[in-house]
Amino acid sequence: SQQGEEDPQALSIQEGENATMNCSYKTSINNLQWYRQNSGRGLVHLILIRSNEREKHSGRLRVTLDTSKKSSSLLITASRAADTASYFCATDASSSNTGKLIFGQGTTLQVKP
Amino acid sequence: NAGVTQTPKFRVLKTGQSMTLLCAQDMNHEYMYWYRQDPGMGLRLIHYSVGEGTTAKGEVPDGYNVSRLKKQNFLLGLESAAPSQTSVYFCASSPRVNWNTIYFGEGSWLTVV
Repeated sequence: SQQGEEDPQALSIQEGENATMNCSYKTSINNLQWYRQNSGRGLVHLILIRSNEREKHSGRLRVTLDTSKKSSSLLITASRAADTASYFCATDASSSNTGKLIFGQGTTLQVKP
Repeated sequence: NAGVTQTPKFRVLKTGQSMTLLCAQDMNHEYMYWYRQDPGMGLRLIHYSVGEGTTAKGEVPDGYNVSRLKKQNFLLGLESAAPSQTSVYFCASSPRVNWNTIYFGEGSWLTVV
């Protein structure tokens, strides 16, 4: 079963614009992570936000977490063509610290130059 | 430092054939994982290992077996391949101390005809 549901499934913007992707999940979590996947490549870890955090920044990335709504958003500011990729949220809900993540279906972002 | 390396990268199997995917990591990570990624779906955990000599089932373990005889290697076996196992397989690893940050391989594309 998929823990994370992402919205939108696809997003197309112009370079310089901001891109916002949303993720909803079903159960209580320890943390939520965002990953990026370029076409034909593996996933790359972007940012992790813990369940007791509400917002986190890393460069042009801003992640928010609302545990009451069981949702998170990833904002990429001043997007670049190189940001074109698929973005996945992943939740860790396990009671044991084993890194068993449950991934959402992903948002495909296209940034047009 | 190669990170997580998967072999082979591409393989075509006939239904009923067997094969083994090899994952090797050179980061001395304790935890290793095998995921599969299908179109329109996020990654789903097949099996994982929290240390040499240990394995455990993930979300979709049926039809697969794994072994972790050496800390740096995690093997995924298909005993009798089925068309439903056509997928992209990703190996990943994480350290015990910072197990939240997972490092992925580049993927193995498997087609079962």
